[in-house]
Amino acid sequence: NTGVTQTPKFRILKIGQSMTLQCTQDMNHNYMYWYRQDPGMGLKLIYYSVGAGITDKGEVPNGYNVSRSTTEDFPLRLELAAPSQTSVYFCASSYSVEQYFGPGTRLTVT
Amino acid sequence: RKEVEQDPGPFNVPEGATVAFNCTYSNSASQSFFWYRQDCRKEPKLLMSVYSSGNEDGRFTAQLNRASQYISLLIRDSKLSDSATYLCVVTSGRDDKIIFGKGTRLHILP
Repeated sequence: NTGVTQTPKFRILKIGQSMTLQCTQDMNHNYMYWYRQDPGMGLKLIYYSVGAGITDKGEVPNGYNVSRSTTEDFPLRLELAAPSQTSVYFCASSYSVEQYFGPGTRLTVT
Repeated sequence: RKEVEQDPGPFNVPEGATVAFNCTYSNSASQSFFWYRQDCRKEPKLLMSVYSSGNEDGRFTAQLNRASQYISLLIRDSKLSDSATYLCVVTSGRDDKIIFGKGTRLHILP
């Protein structure tokens, strides 16, 4: 198993652009999560999914969308990038409550 | 009271010393407890689970105090490689909501 993979590793966006952050896991975990982590701050949950076809909002969902068409993939979509979305984005998956994280995507919006 | 609270530190500790830090949680119905480690600019990684009876893994000991609603992490014979941010994670309530603390920064000094 390679675990949780995320692409891209880095990205710079201009205000108003859109992009999709990819997340894939090969552990057959039902639960998947998207977090953002601002410098010096804790993790904030954006969206999560308890299985294919099911998604729910977390603490900070505004400005983001997700889909979960397969067990393996959980992409995060930014439609109109704003400077406030500059952050490091982590995807995670779990079988129960012990989460396994991907390496993160560093996003800068200028 | 915040759901999960940690002293942000930093804790500056000489190599070889013993260091301990706590994490308090507000929901007495919390079920599961974990310590994660996050290195600078990396993803969080599960360090250890915290059981009611305590948990020891080499130089690391985690304990749970339900009466006072806190968990602790003790690191003995600290190494330079222990320098990291330690995140407390608590699952809360029947919906297993996962809550991350903001972390405690630990610097081991040579």
